[in-house]
Amino acid sequence: QITLKESGPTLVKATQTLTLTCTFSGFSLSTSGVGVGWIRQPPGKALEWLALIYWDDDKRYSPSLKTRLTITKDTSKNQVVLTMTNMDPVDTATYFCAHSRVLRYPPPEMVWFDPWGQGTLVTVSS
Amino acid sequence: DIQMTQSPSSLSASIGDRVTVTCRASQSIGPYLNWYQQKPGKAPKLLIYGASSLQSGVPPRFSGSGSGTDFTLTISTLQPEDFATYYCQQTYSSPLGFGGGTKVEIK
Repeated sequence: QITLKESGPTLVKATQTLTLTCTFSGFSLSTSGVGVGWIRQPPGKALEWLALIYWDDDKRYSPSLKTRLTITKDTSKNQVVLTMTNMDPVDTATYFCAHSRVLRYPPPEMVWFDPWGQGTLVTVSS
Repeated sequence: DIQMTQSPSSLSASIGDRVTVTCRASQSIGPYLNWYQQKPGKAPKLLIYGASSLQSGVPPRFSGSGSGTDFTLTISTLQPEDFATYYCQQTYSSPLGFGGGTKVEIK
């Protein structure tokens, strides 16, 4: 059974850096075709994909947030860490991590996210 | 960026109804389309990937179709546990954008 859980601060101040950790079990991030992604959802709004890291350490970022995001993995700890710099009140959202499967061939790669963690609400104060 | 537009944004339906949700991409994305279900206060759950492949464990009353720019999620016989918000997501190119959601409510 695959499970994921997000952890990190619930409140950050504007301009600070947010660090979120996704701790997972039931799969290995060294297995081919596996990844972990981050998605967020502002209160009452739609989902927004942020970043994705693959088993081979390949990474994908949302272009609009790329300069602010860093995603890393620690395979031995079964963790993925997302950092987001220069936080703003508009970044207030529930942040989810999710297990990902990817099929790279034929290109472009096909990706889907399942299951997801329960999410963690991060509030950014001004 | 590829824009994903869902319609309707909300709908009311009764138990047993056949429900259809539509997702349109601003450019062709082949079959690179996923569908998720989200209930209030919960994480999304994958229903369909690759436009029409049913995720393991998802009831067969859910089905997906389409390719290119126009996609459909169909619930053949609406059940009480299906009242939720449904999101489509394209994975053809970055950013892996989601639609605005369709809320399915009880009539």
